[in-house]
Amino acid sequence: DIQMTQSPSSVSASVGDRVTITCRASLSIKTWLAWYQQKPGEAPKLLIYSASNLQSGVPSRFSGSGSETDFTLTINSLQPEDFATYFCQQANSFPFAFGGGTKVEIK
Amino acid sequence: EVQLVESGGGLVQPGGSLRLSCAASRFTFNTYWMHWVRQAPGKGLVWVSRINIDGSRTMYSDSVKGRFTISRDNAENTLYLQMNSLTVEDTAVYYCTRDSYSSITYPTYFDSWGQGTLVTVSS
Repeated sequence: DIQMTQSPSSVSASVGDRVTITCRASLSIKTWLAWYQQKPGEAPKLLIYSASNLQSGVPSRFSGSGSETDFTLTINSLQPEDFATYFCQQANSFPFAFGGGTKVEIK
Repeated sequence: EVQLVESGGGLVQPGGSLRLSCAASRFTFNTYWMHWVRQAPGKGLVWVSRINIDGSRTMYSDSVKGRFTISRDNAENTLYLQMNSLTVEDTAVYYCTRDSYSSITYPTYFDSWGQGTLVTVSS
């Protein structure tokens, strides 16, 4: 099974900052990776798919990059509504594993 | 906008059973594969099960295989998860999700999620 490792597990940032979250797969998943945002008490929301494609309606300050085993989610100019937990997910093969999550907190 | 509404969660004793439902609307249900994903309190997301369009093919995570059964009723636009032999480790919010591409040749992304239903297994 493919394992997904996210880092950091939490990050403190201020409004306007740039935040970078990384995700590493234990085997190559090409570019078949998604990023989700989850706010407390809410369901996750798909932000980015296929490593770098923005889901419809997602602000352009979110971007993704990477391939094979190493991936990055970048949030430019962090906004108050971006404070949440972010998960990566490998979409390459069963079982479809998620990373452990990165909580973006207010500094 | 796609709507997925889960129901059927609750408190159940270890060894008990529960059946979750997910009512789908505002999209053509019988053209999408569907999944269940769960999240234990304060923990991360874990994929549980998948079903194809007509219900003929199902997949399960090792942790639930042999105990859980996913099914669907396309006439009623409803997804189900029958959970038997429940243990405390099954305590979680269970989300119904839609598969973006619904194809074996494409990657599996979850583009729509329900609000979740909480299952608590405790004596």
